[in-house]
Amino acid sequence: DQQVKQNSPSLSVQEGRISILNCDYTNSMFDYFLWYKKYPAEGPTFLISISSIKDKNEDGRFTVFLNKSAKHLSLHIVPSQPGDSAVYFCAASAEGAQKLVFGQGTRLTINP
Amino acid sequence: DTGVSQDPRHKITKRGQNVTFRCDPISEHNRLYWYRQTLGQGPEFLTYFQNEAQLEKSRLLSDRFSAERPKGSFSTLEIQRTEQGDSAMYLCASSQGPTYGYTFGSGTRLTVV
Repeated sequence: DQQVKQNSPSLSVQEGRISILNCDYTNSMFDYFLWYKKYPAEGPTFLISISSIKDKNEDGRFTVFLNKSAKHLSLHIVPSQPGDSAVYFCAASAEGAQKLVFGQGTRLTINP
Repeated sequence: DTGVSQDPRHKITKRGQNVTFRCDPISEHNRLYWYRQTLGQGPEFLTYFQNEAQLEKSRLLSDRFSAERPKGSFSTLEIQRTEQGDSAMYLCASSQGPTYGYTFGSGTRLTVV
């Protein structure tokens, strides 16, 4: 039972353009959502998060949008840079739970 | 502090052998987590410690798996009688308090042949 889904295994974007990564979830008890970035041979690195009481959170070039009614969140990267090429994981947690539930990941490639 | 440290980085073992991995969390973090990641999948939760107490275990953690965190500092994850299906990246993470943006180590890649 995949509670967090990233339906696009890969995404290719031109440098300088916007990258949009999508994530869907099924568990209505999830109230905290995170995005992690992973380079090869390294562990995931926390990027940005959002609480269910918000619908948007912004940090520099990264913005996360949450649509609770659609159980959907997205990560926008503007402008995209070559160093953004990595695998991006969406993750979610329910209130009171310590564990994160991760999606399968989306490999983002930024082309020069 | 240099972050979460995991040792070894790579381990190749024969089926049926026992293996043990070590994780050193960020020193002020009282929460420690183990996750497993297989190819093409996101990390899957295995177990969680708060200080030395193991508070949650996933059903993924069969009786061949055991984790400890003596004295609430470093943690070890042991897999007994390894099987080929145990081949994966084993990730450790730590956090301070009830925060979910926790810090991962670089992982231990296990290959069972």
